[in-house]
Amino acid sequence: QSVLTQPPSVSGAPGQRVTISCTGSSSNIGAGYDVHWYQQLPGTAPKLLIYGNSNRPSGVPDRFSGSKSGTSASLAITGLQAVDEADYYCQSYDSSLSGSWVFGGGTKLTVL
Amino acid sequence: QVQLQESGPGLVKPSQTLSLTCAVSGDSIISSGYYWSWIRQRPGKGLELIGYIYYSGSTYYTSSLKSRVTISVDTSNNQFSLKLNSVTAADTAFYYCAREVHGDYYFDCWGQGTLVIVSS
Repeated sequence: QSVLTQPPSVSGAPGQRVTISCTGSSSNIGAGYDVHWYQQLPGTAPKLLIYGNSNRPSGVPDRFSGSKSGTSASLAITGLQAVDEADYYCQSYDSSLSGSWVFGGGTKLTVL
Repeated sequence: QVQLQESGPGLVKPSQTLSLTCAVSGDSIISSGYYWSWIRQRPGKGLELIGYIYYSGSTYYTSSLKSRVTISVDTSNNQFSLKLNSVTAADTAFYYCAREVHGDYYFDCWGQGTLVIVSS
């Protein structure tokens, strides 16, 4: 059971907007620690998608955006494309586990 | 551009030691502000931090693996290594090395990963 909770799956049609939630607690997201998001395409390593809640690394399309509020965070993908079909993971820092990085369980995005 | 590449045996027998190395290119492993990490992913499962090392040698290990894990750094060869002893089938996983931006707590560069199967 992951410290950060994500929905196991989400889906959307091409062109649509989808959001993926990441729910934490007062010892991680709610304590003010940033949330980061990774995209894992099938058969590949995870890739940094969003850092510091809402910042995109160079090369990441602006169709991807992140936000954080309270003990939760969200990843939004607009103009959904077939190439976006992947697993998405949120990650933060948790002060209750001797200081540890924690990941969400991952969300499988299916483009219909 | 920094690149990380894992190497090591893909098959390890139960009770033996899993040993992997991560070669870093495009950046010096003694660059300040970066921690060098190992993360694993059991087949079909999520990501699990194993631990990290700073070039000075200071380490952190996740509590569930702490008794079996050693991470070391070889600054002369710009690489770092993972040893996990007394392995069982539950340690079968993809193992990734990654660079962590310390202070900001995210992993900005990842190796391609290597699958290690624990089986007799």
